[in-house]
Amino acid sequence: GQNIDQPTEMTATEGAIVQINCTYQTSGFNGLFWYQQHAGEAPTFLSYNVLDGLEEKGRFSSFLSRSKGYSYLLLKELQMKDSASYLCAAWMYSSYKLIFGSGTRLLVRP
Amino acid sequence: GAGVSQSPSNKVTEKGKDVELRCDPISGHTALYWYRQSLGQGLEFLIYFQGNSAPDKSGLPSDRFSAERTGGSVSTLTIQRTQQEDSAVYLCASSLAQAGEGETQYFGPGTRLLVL
Repeated sequence: GQNIDQPTEMTATEGAIVQINCTYQTSGFNGLFWYQQHAGEAPTFLSYNVLDGLEEKGRFSSFLSRSKGYSYLLLKELQMKDSASYLCAAWMYSSYKLIFGSGTRLLVRP
Repeated sequence: GAGVSQSPSNKVTEKGKDVELRCDPISGHTALYWYRQSLGQGLEFLIYFQGNSAPDKSGLPSDRFSAERTGGSVSTLTIQRTQQEDSAVYLCASSLAQAGEGETQYFGPGTRLLVL
């Protein structure tokens, strides 16, 4: 199958930490992308994981477990501008497709 | 350097008319992708070009949809006999190489299509 599942909505408080989970049930999986998309704007690249483990980039970190078909995006020290949709996408090497989840809408409150 | 550009930014058309959407990728990017995003939904893969060829056209929703890329640069997505369910944002992205090699896809601003 090619299901990419992530929560529809999440709410968090400014300054806090939030973890957005993504599970995938794909064969031919090669790697996992996370994109940020503000309302009415194009998605922008956040991270790409191909190996197991945690990759940190400033306030954002992304984790991948290939054996569990699981990834998460960790956002630290949340800021109001982090309110956006976060899209998880699995790269299918066999068919050159990038399969996107429906996105998680994150609302950061003061 | 310029990013990915798309035109028109907005298109309103009547059911049954044909529309043509254009994408100008970042110069030097060999891979080009078309996606469709309906309101509040994730991105739906439509088609991928490596150079001028499209290894995978299976994402196109119907035979009313076609796409071409000439000169390894500009791409056009054509929708014939538009239907109301075609209303969506059509996003184009390009990357230096195939995304599976870890290359970031850079997205254009999209074309918002409304079929009345």
